[in-house]
Amino acid sequence: GAVVSQHPSWVICKSGTSVKIECRSLDFQATTMFWYRQFPKQSLMLMATSNEGSKATYEQGVEKDKFLINHASLTLSTLTVTSAHPEDSSFYICSAPRRASGGGSYEQYFGPGTRLTVT
Amino acid sequence: SQQGEEDPQALSIQEGENATMNCSYKTSINNLQWYRQNSGRGLVHLILIRSNEREKHSGRLRVTLDTSKKSSSLLITASRAADTASYFCATGGNQFYFGTGTSLTVIP
Repeated sequence: GAVVSQHPSWVICKSGTSVKIECRSLDFQATTMFWYRQFPKQSLMLMATSNEGSKATYEQGVEKDKFLINHASLTLSTLTVTSAHPEDSSFYICSAPRRASGGGSYEQYFGPGTRLTVT
Repeated sequence: SQQGEEDPQALSIQEGENATMNCSYKTSINNLQWYRQNSGRGLVHLILIRSNEREKHSGRLRVTLDTSKKSSSLLITASRAADTASYFCATGGNQFYFGTGTSLTVIP
């Protein structure tokens, strides 16, 4: 079953409004979570790393004031798209890493994604 | 930034044929993972191969990893129409970067 959930799965909002997307790890704790953005027919681009208890780390070119990230607990990270515009319309996906069985390497678990449409 | 590059970018085959996709990456890795994404949907984890492994099988999937060439391949045998999707490789440890993806179309 799903180990990372996202809410909402889709949202339509008007230009100028803010939208919050939640990412939850369901049966494990994650001190870090990741947010990705995907344009149609393109790959996933890492936007930022959400860190529990500290500020998020943003990838180059991602506006931190535009995409506010809060890692409220060890199982919840939120991405708020502020003053959304049509160009922010995209598919947003989060992931949380968990150590693979046997230890050592991490395996990423992905949420199902949130489709944002800004009109 | 993207770490991996898949090739080909698009692949179209007849049902029953095998499909091979390749992924090249740039830096050292702990593991490499392959994901499938159906149009407009989320990601489905297919297989993880660790840096000390050379080949791994899962059902009709076969993944190879060549760390000296920084490349991996995904083979889907006896393809089905339901295999039509985009396939991505992703590398990293705690942090993850995706390749550009291969769009596979299996024609019934």
